[in-house]
Amino acid sequence: DAGITQSPRHKVTETGTPVTLRCHQTENHRYMYWYRQDPGHGLRLIHYSYGVKDTDKGEVSDGYSVSRSKTEDFLLTLESATSSQTSVYFCAIRDSTGNTIYFGEGSWLTVV
Amino acid sequence: DQQVKQNSPSLSVQEGRISILNCDYTNSMFDYFLWYKKYPAEGPTFLISISSIKDKNEDGRFTVFLNKSAKHLSLHIVPSQPGDSAVYFCAAKYGGSQGNLIFGKGTKLSVKP
Repeated sequence: DAGITQSPRHKVTETGTPVTLRCHQTENHRYMYWYRQDPGHGLRLIHYSYGVKDTDKGEVSDGYSVSRSKTEDFLLTLESATSSQTSVYFCAIRDSTGNTIYFGEGSWLTVV
Repeated sequence: DQQVKQNSPSLSVQEGRISILNCDYTNSMFDYFLWYKKYPAEGPTFLISISSIKDKNEDGRFTVFLNKSAKHLSLHIVPSQPGDSAVYFCAAKYGGSQGNLIFGKGTKLSVKP
């Protein structure tokens, strides 16, 4: 258990509405990540953070923004949700060895 | 352009036999390789890893082999059990402090009783 909590776990939203997914960790890890998983694509990095207020883009960052105002919370925001953003979203942290990341349980998002 | 490739989308194995999952990579700057297992409706869980300076790492029924000259790694599961049925993701980490992971698309393993 890496001490990661994602919320909400399931959400259905309408096209064009804003959505925020929250990732909360309890173990003070510096690096946090947001991935999405889609059939045929595996796990793709959306954004990551290497400290409070320090974030950077991953390979599929278009349409997403992130914020990290506290060490323990990493927020992923879809400013205007589209059907192509229907996916499973996983938050992850990097452990103290720097080599391994551990995932949360996932947030299932459906955009209708 | 995929840097980490798992060319077999699925694999079916009989219980008790060996399962071999394969992964190829293109970037020689990767310094660490990992395997994750994922059950439906759950997050991926870390399974086993290997540093680029080694060629084998073993943990119980799971062994990972790395062939750097071929840019190839494999995960061996012996003996396979029905509970091993899951999607397995190979991942590679860039060297350096940024060290983000690049994942393959996954291989779905089915172990039949």
